[in-house]
Amino acid sequence: QKEVEQDPGPLSVPEGAIVSLNCTYSNSAFQYFMWYRQYSRKGPELLMYTYSSGNKEDGRFTAQVDKSSKYISLFIRDSQPSDSATYLCAMGGFLGDSGGYQKVTFGTGTKLQVIP
Amino acid sequence: DGGITQSPKYLFRKEGQNVTLSCEQNLNHDAMYWYRQDPGQGLRLIYYSQIVNDFQKGDIAEGYSVSREKKESFPLTVTSAQKNPTAFYLCASSIADSGTEAFFGQGTRLTVV
Repeated sequence: QKEVEQDPGPLSVPEGAIVSLNCTYSNSAFQYFMWYRQYSRKGPELLMYTYSSGNKEDGRFTAQVDKSSKYISLFIRDSQPSDSATYLCAMGGFLGDSGGYQKVTFGTGTKLQVIP
Repeated sequence: DGGITQSPKYLFRKEGQNVTLSCEQNLNHDAMYWYRQDPGQGLRLIYYSQIVNDFQKGDIAEGYSVSREKKESFPLTVTSAQKNPTAFYLCASSIADSGTEAFFGQGTRLTVV
């Protein structure tokens, strides 16, 4: 079982729809959760970063973390054709008493297409 | 503008050759990383460096080498020992050595011909 599971899609939605992207994880040591957007043949760019359970909103984007279920989500409201990209979840955390940090682990990405 | 610059964007390598991928950042970040991206496999960590003159192997370091002589620069050499080097290579940096909130370069596409 992979530490981070993410449905690869592709996910096709009409313009204006609400998009829900999800990841599940198995490592309870993960404490930091991130969403990156990657356009074709480009590097990922950080969209959202959350540390704790709950919701974080930034414009049309909302990141949701449920540590009890080991489940994170990214919601995109009023989706636009420019949102068409691959979305990567990523997570990391402390190593506890041994010091240092858990290396960041990435999901495989979900490809999203928003149709005009 | 601050950011990470990777060069070249496309690189072709013959069998048996070593090639070096460049990564430069002007964000004043201490930590830098190299990832490899293959279809369906997500990003895999090759090497990382938390401070100048120090670096550690990631999950797939075999066939690769790095150096960190300057804070701004973290070049990656893909050696002839890397059996399947064709991939998209991404360099990243972050303020904290946790690797969170990383900034990525635009990537180098390496193809073996």
